Amino acid sequence: NFVLTQPHSVSESPGKTITISCTRSSGSVADNYVQWHQQRPGSVPITVIYEDDRRPSGVPDRFSGSIDSSSNSASLTISGLKTEDEADYYCQSHDNNKWVFGGGTKLTVL
Amino acid sequence: QVQLVQSGAEVKRPGASVKLSCKASGYTFSNFYIHWVRQAPGQGLEWMAIIHPSSGTINYAQKLQGRVAMTRDTSSSTVYLDLSGLVSEDTAIYYCTRDPAIVATGTYPFDLWGQGTMVTVSS
Repeated sequence: NFVLTQPHSVSESPGKTITISCTRSSGSVADNYVQWHQQRPGSVPITVIYEDDRRPSGVPDRFSGSIDSSSNSASLTISGLKTEDEADYYCQSHDNNKWVFGGGTKLTVL
Repeated sequence: QVQLVQSGAEVKRPGASVKLSCKASGYTFSNFYIHWVRQAPGQGLEWMAIIHPSSGTINYAQKLQGRVAMTRDTSSSTVYLDLSGLVSEDTAIYYCTRDPAIVATGTYPFDLWGQGTMVTVSS
């Protein structure tokens, strides 16, 4: 099985832009879709990006996703940061009928 | 109302087993896989297992093989998770979540989650 590696934490000021990376250890990131999930403290996760770069209805267009085959990684970018974006973010993908979550990135908006 | 409703909190002794349920309603049960995902206190999300409600095909995380069993009851649109040989590290919130088995507008992987079931393993 592969591993998805994320930075443990990121912090930025309101109004700025951040990017969270998610690097796949083996196999190609392009072979299987990547999802991104947001989890606020005490809440159930919600999906903010699916199929690498698609945004569910209701998720602001400040959220975007992409993949980069050269670095074998996926990225979540949040622009115009708001305090309400403060949460844990998890990337997730699958291969050979096994699903994998990244370790999560704590986003602090200060 | 489209929802996944999970069973209530459990407290178990080490070595015991626990059976959790996840009841689907408001949508066609056979059109979505169901995953179990858990989260230990202060930790990240961990994928455990997936079942296709129609075929009954199941896949488990390698780490849990031999201790976990997933079943379903199509008549009641309910999925179950059995976890045996409980240890303190199994203390976590257990979530069920769905994943489209067919392409359909407006649906996507993990678009619906249960409310979570807290399982505490303690002597």
